[in-house]
Amino acid sequence: DAMVIQNPRYQVTQFGKPVTLSCSQTLNHNVMYWYQQKSSQAPKLLFHYYDKDFNNEADTPDNFQSRRPNTSFCFLDIRSPGLGDAAMYLCATSRDNRGSSYNEQFFGPGTRLTVL
Amino acid sequence: AQKITQTQPGMFVQEKEAVTLDCTYDTSDQSYGLFWYKQPSSGEMIFLIYQGSYDEQNATEGRYSLNFQKARKSANLVISASQLGDSAMYFCAMRDLYNFNKFYFGSGTKLNVKP
Repeated sequence: DAMVIQNPRYQVTQFGKPVTLSCSQTLNHNVMYWYQQKSSQAPKLLFHYYDKDFNNEADTPDNFQSRRPNTSFCFLDIRSPGLGDAAMYLCATSRDNRGSSYNEQFFGPGTRLTVL
Repeated sequence: AQKITQTQPGMFVQEKEAVTLDCTYDTSDQSYGLFWYKQPSSGEMIFLIYQGSYDEQNATEGRYSLNFQKARKSANLVISASQLGDSAMYFCAMRDLYNFNKFYFGSGTKLNVKP
């Protein structure tokens, strides 16, 4: 089945120790998103890629970086995690939405990050 | 400016009854899409239903229907015959053509279905 996969599902890191979360997709969608979601809150968009075009949200801290080496893979790097970065990180994909409002986002199962 | 407003942080409904989750939105675009997602406690976001701004009929998907009132800019989700498995967070989201690849999410409604 075509899907969005996130690894690992659970990640524990130490304060200040860099961590990388990964996302892969078999849907061949050209848009990929990273969201941060804290308990009982809406997902907060960190950035998204439209093909290789990187779109950062204005309020995303510099501590968060992303890479998309090819269509299928996207990585979220947290350079120096703080306690406030503990959250669920959701990856999503979508078809190119230019000219069409229909295409929904497909979400991965998320990676729950704990910072000790 | 906030694009999506969900005014019900939490709702209770009796099993087998219908429930309406409210969503209002704000956009100046004529073309936009409205989406509802379900998020169980396990964390995955599940797409439920879509309504396009030019759709004249209200969208329906099984037990889910969307009460779309364009002039009032509301897109309420109606769940008929609630089941225990419907207990989850529900998010309303919108995409418009101004930022065509961005989805704006509401703050969510936590639905609890009582047996």
